[in-house]
Amino acid sequence: GESVGLHLPTLSVQEGDNSIINCAYSNSASDYFIWYKQESGKGPQFIIDIRSNMDKRQGQRVTVLLNKTVKHLSLQIAATQPGDSAVYFCAENPTGNQFYFGTGTSLTVIP
Amino acid sequence: KAGVTQTPRYLIKTRGQQVTLSCSPISGHRSVSWYQQTPGQGLQFLFEYFSETQRNKGNFPGRFSGRQFSNSRSEMNVSTLELGDSALYLCASSLPFSGRADTQYFGPGTRLTVL
Repeated sequence: GESVGLHLPTLSVQEGDNSIINCAYSNSASDYFIWYKQESGKGPQFIIDIRSNMDKRQGQRVTVLLNKTVKHLSLQIAATQPGDSAVYFCAENPTGNQFYFGTGTSLTVIP
Repeated sequence: KAGVTQTPRYLIKTRGQQVTLSCSPISGHRSVSWYQQTPGQGLQFLFEYFSETQRNKGNFPGRFSGRQFSNSRSEMNVSTLELGDSALYLCASSLPFSGRADTQYFGPGTRLTVL
């Protein structure tokens, strides 16, 4: 049958504001998570990761929060810039070296 | 250190043909995973190779196959192409797996169009 495009959640923020992108993961056995950024025409780019023995990890302008109780992950981007405009994916690792990806969130930064 | 490279970057094929895509991982990385990305299904895991052996496999038909060489370079093959195989095929590499998953780094992808 005809395939229907995924309806990506979208987020629009003003330049300089903070962005919060959320992700619900599905497997309670997942113990490693990665956030990726994908710009048009490019492959996903690693942003930050977190293992299940932590609930927060900070990078440069980015912070990942993990709530295992409700199987929720969030990515916070501080002082969002136009170059941050992209699709953001969370990936979970339930077993081995195999990852499952969320549908993604499209972030648009308004100058 | 050079990143993951994929060749070719773009391919146009017709239904029924077969195609081979190539991936060179980051130097020192021994695990290579392949993903299919489409607007309809998002990013889906195809398979993972480690030390020339397929270690994990996703839910794709047997028309999709792969292999890994002793230098960790990997190829994937799709036979009897269908229109629905049009997608961005992504390769990701990671360090040796020592019991815990490692960060996967992606290449730019190969855009396959099936006419």
